[in-house]
Amino acid sequence: QKEVEQDPGPLSVPEGAIVSLNCTYSNSAFQYFMWYRQYSRKGPELLMYTYSSGNKEDGRFTAQVDKSSKYISLFIRDSQPSDSATYLCAMSVTGANSKLTFGKGITLSVRP
Amino acid sequence: GAVVSQHPSRVICKSGTSVKIECRSLDFQATTMFWYRQFPKKSLMLMATSNEGSKATYEQGVEKDKFLINHASLTLSTLTVTSAHPEDSSFYICSARDQRATNEKLFFGSGTQLSVL
Repeated sequence: QKEVEQDPGPLSVPEGAIVSLNCTYSNSAFQYFMWYRQYSRKGPELLMYTYSSGNKEDGRFTAQVDKSSKYISLFIRDSQPSDSATYLCAMSVTGANSKLTFGKGITLSVRP
Repeated sequence: GAVVSQHPSRVICKSGTSVKIECRSLDFQATTMFWYRQFPKKSLMLMATSNEGSKATYEQGVEKDKFLINHASLTLSTLTVTSAHPEDSSFYICSARDQRATNEKLFFGSGTQLSVL
């Protein structure tokens, strides 16, 4: 079993839809959970960062962490064509600025 | 926000040659930088952790003599792919940590697409 599993996608939604992206993990030592957005042939950009379990909201983005189920989610409300990108979940044992383990990424396309 | 500059963005080389990729933190000092490799439709795989003034720590399965890492200053780390072969063709990305920040985010470079002919 891989340490981090992410829905393979790709995912295509109409503009304005609510998008749900998910990752599961097997390493119970992970405490820091991140979502990155990556445009084609560019470096990842941090969207959301959560420590331990709970929810975090930032504008149209909400990150959820359920450590008991080893499951994290990213919700995008009122999706826009500009949200079209690859989204990667990432996790760390020791910190958001330490060694990260990434999911495979899912490519999202938001249709106008 | 903090900027990490990675250069070159794209390089094409002949098999057997060596290629150097630079990663610079432009407005902060980075004691630690990370080097990742990404294949198409695959995740970023950590290759090594680069620490300023000391030897890099390589992940299991990464050949340290093949992928030479030098972190000679607080703002520069380099990755040299030695005697490159077509199977080394990949997207290489660096990231850096601001040494003044605690538990803050990593800053990623824009990546280098290496194509070995």
